[in-house]
Formats: sequence, structure tokens, C-alpha cells
Amino acid sequence: DSGVTQTPKHLITATGQRVTLRCSPRSGDLSVYWYQQSLDQGLQFLIQYYNGEERAKGNILERFSAQQFPDLHSELNLSSLELGDSALYFCASSRGGVHQETQYFGPGTRLLVL
Amino acid sequence: DAKTTQPNSMESNEEEPVHLPCNHSTISGTDYIHWYRQLPSQGPEYVIHGLTSNVNNRMASLAIAEDRKSSTLILHRATLRDAAVYYCILRDVRGNEKLTFGTGTRLTIIP
Repeated sequence: DSGVTQTPKHLITATGQRVTLRCSPRSGDLSVYWYQQSLDQGLQFLIQYYNGEERAKGNILERFSAQQFPDLHSELNLSSLELGDSALYFCASSRGGVHQETQYFGPGTRLLVL
Repeated sequence: DAKTTQPNSMESNEEEPVHLPCNHSTISGTDYIHWYRQLPSQGPEYVIHGLTSNVNNRMASLAIAEDRKSSTLILHRATLRDAAVYYCILRDVRGNEKLTFGTGTRLTIIP
């Protein structure tokens, strides 16, 4: 158990809909990262937050947005969903502020868009 | 970002050592070499990392070539629980903290 929790575990929805994925980092971790894992693209970095502020952006679509709240949990919002958004979404956390530090991954949310 | 190359898949017998290679010929002097693995139906987990010298921890050893253009992750005595996809990742100390995953090596352990 990494100490990172993600909800829900599974999500099935229809095209055009909007969903919110939630992540609680390990106690004391200030950085949260979101990654998407699909069959054709592999594991890709989406976005990082550090202590409530956006720190780095990767291949995140404009239809997707994220935020980190004062209690440090994070939410990833996916809107106008398309079939191609079906994937595993992982959240990871780290202490923050130290380079090369370990990222601890949650169990993921499996999203299926029908 | 400097690129890594790993074999798509490898097999090993249970209780034998496993050597997982990674080539990174364009590595820069500020790149650290990290290894993560992803067990079936789980998120990735950290294994080990190093810069120039060989490194050991309770999970594995990391052997880094003298010219740093390649490295090898060594599992000293593979168990069935080590069956996973292993990712070799370069992280630049000057860059941001994201992990850039390649396709990794799928390790199968034969009982």
C-alpha cells in the first residue's frame, strides 16, 4: 500500500459526459501528479501540483483540468468525454521540493467511455 | 528528454538472478537513472535510482556502465511476485519532476 488513495476505482460513462477523479496524497506530501495510461500511448504525465499551485504541465488536453485543494487532495476533471479518453488514470504524490525524490502511485481509476 | 531503450520482454526462472538492460546513449551529465516497475493491476512503484556509482537496496541492484550509456537492473533472486513491467527512466536534475515512461520490459517469471 503506497498510502495514496484514488476514487472511484472504476467509472463507466458515456461520450460527452463529465467526470471527476479524486486523489488523496500520502500524509505530508505536497506534490501531486496525474498520469494517464492507455494501450496506445502508454503511461503519460498530465499535470503536477505543488502545495495548491500548478507546477508542470504535460500532454493534458484542454478538456481536462485539475486542481489541488488546501487539504492537498487533488481532483482531475475530464469533460466532453470521447471514446479515446478510456484509460487508467493514476495519481502519484511526493514530498515536494526535492529533486529526484520518489513518486508514490495510487491504485488508479479505470475510466471506460462508451 | 534523453531516450531509453529496453527489450520488450524477458523471461527468467524463479529463484534465479535477473539482469534487465537499459540503453541510454544520449544521457547527459545531469540525468539520473531511475527504475520503476508496475505489477499487474497496480500503479507503478519505485525500485532504485543512481547517477554514476552502482547502487544497492533491499529490492534490487543498479549497475551503471562507466560511460553511463547503459545500465542494468539486477534482481538477485527473482520470485513470482517480481513479474511486472520494468521501466528505466532518465530524470534531469535541471528539469521538472515528471516521470517520462517508455514502453518498459515485461518480465515473466517461470515457476
